[in-house]
Amino acid sequence: DAGVIQSPRHEVTEMGQEVTLRCKPISGHDYLFWYRQTMMRGLELLIYFNNNVPIDDSGMPEDRFSAKMPNASFSTLKIQPSEPRDSAVYFCASSPEPGADTQYFGPGTRLTVL
Amino acid sequence: DAKTTQPPSMDCAEGRAANLPCNHSTISGNEYVYWYRQIHSQGPQYIIHGLKNNETNEMASLIITEDRKSSTLILPHATLRDTAVYYCIVRPRLNSGNTPLVFGKGTRLSVIA
Repeated sequence: DAGVIQSPRHEVTEMGQEVTLRCKPISGHDYLFWYRQTMMRGLELLIYFNNNVPIDDSGMPEDRFSAKMPNASFSTLKIQPSEPRDSAVYFCASSPEPGADTQYFGPGTRLTVL
Repeated sequence: DAKTTQPPSMDCAEGRAANLPCNHSTISGNEYVYWYRQIHSQGPQYIIHGLKNNETNEMASLIITEDRKSSTLILPHATLRDTAVYYCIVRPRLNSGNTPLVFGKGTRLSVIA
């Protein structure tokens, strides 16, 4: 398996622009997680899905952030409008089933908002 | 908030054992201890987990104290490729669900040639 795939790997945009980050989980995995990593706050959960349904979005910073999972093989994280403080590395992770011990992380998307 | 405390950094000579401590004094009965690591510019990677018994796999060993308030991750023969940030995470293991990981600041391990 190719593992969790994220695109783009790097994104540079200007403040106010819309940004869409993409994730393809490992085939057959029921759970998908979006995390964000910054120097100040470390790694923190934004939202996670079970069978394409959002379970906990309490970590989403504000209404500018939205996440969708239209099917089992694809998820998006959208920021509209983007701000410089959104600059971070965004990780997607997937996990196979309830009670699974391991989350498999993608390589991340490094977002820079100027 | 993370329920674990780790030293911010450690050094280890290449070929020697690296022993990374973690305190989790408020751990609950249904919570497991998980270890992940993050090599520079990569996503976190699962290493090992345990409840109360010592565990060993191809990557590392995990020693959990009898009272479960602390644990130690052991890399038996550290290599330069083991240089990374190591995260100790306490997390419930639910047969009926799956829970996110709550990361603390971790320990930055530097393996020195």
